[in-house]
Amino acid sequence: GAVVSQHPSRVICKSGTSVKIECRSLDFQATTMFWYRQFPKQSLMLMATSNEGSKATYEQGVEKDKFLINHASLTLSTLTVTSAHPEDSSFYICSASRLGDPSYNSPLHFGNGTRLTVT
Amino acid sequence: DQQVKQNSPSLSVQEGRISILNCDYTNSMFDYFLWYKKYPAEGPTFLISISSIKDKNEDGRFTVFLNKSAKHLSLHIVPSQPGDSAVYFCAASARNNDMRFGAGTRLTVKP
Repeated sequence: GAVVSQHPSRVICKSGTSVKIECRSLDFQATTMFWYRQFPKQSLMLMATSNEGSKATYEQGVEKDKFLINHASLTLSTLTVTSAHPEDSSFYICSASRLGDPSYNSPLHFGNGTRLTVT
Repeated sequence: DQQVKQNSPSLSVQEGRISILNCDYTNSMFDYFLWYKKYPAEGPTFLISISSIKDKNEDGRFTVFLNKSAKHLSLHIVPSQPGDSAVYFCAASARNNDMRFGAGTRLTVKP
């Protein structure tokens, strides 16, 4: 159990357009979902933490108006990259912590990631 | 800031031998550490973890060692198998839910 589905796996978009990435927990309810960004040969950088029904908490340096996060239910969180630019091209990955698991010392369940290319 | 560092981007090991992956951290508030394994085109999956109250945790072929005074942990895989070839991420978390990842080490196990 504890499967996280992330869609799409790859997306190419034109500069100035917006892209939505979905993250779904398929067989469990997720209290918290996390969004990360990974540059080549670098670590997973936490962008924001979202809890169902409340506003996301963004890490320092992450523009909340550019990276819109919605966590409308216990099984779905979305990340929308608005007015995308080539520098937004990256690998975005979500993870979820399961409802009922202790927050800081339980393994996270990751999606397979989304490769975004902005032309 | 790089609070969790994996200084070796890659490691190559012969099948049957021991693989040792290293991780260093700087934040003394971290008290729980996890290793994740990632295959291409897939998300990381949890492998093994250790609490700061322990210095060793073993699960089958995988053992994680923690040296709190040195702020260092390592993952030992023995014997290594070709299927272990993947990228391994070290992660550290604190009770304030701050979790950080290392940049990963790509392990290649040669038959």
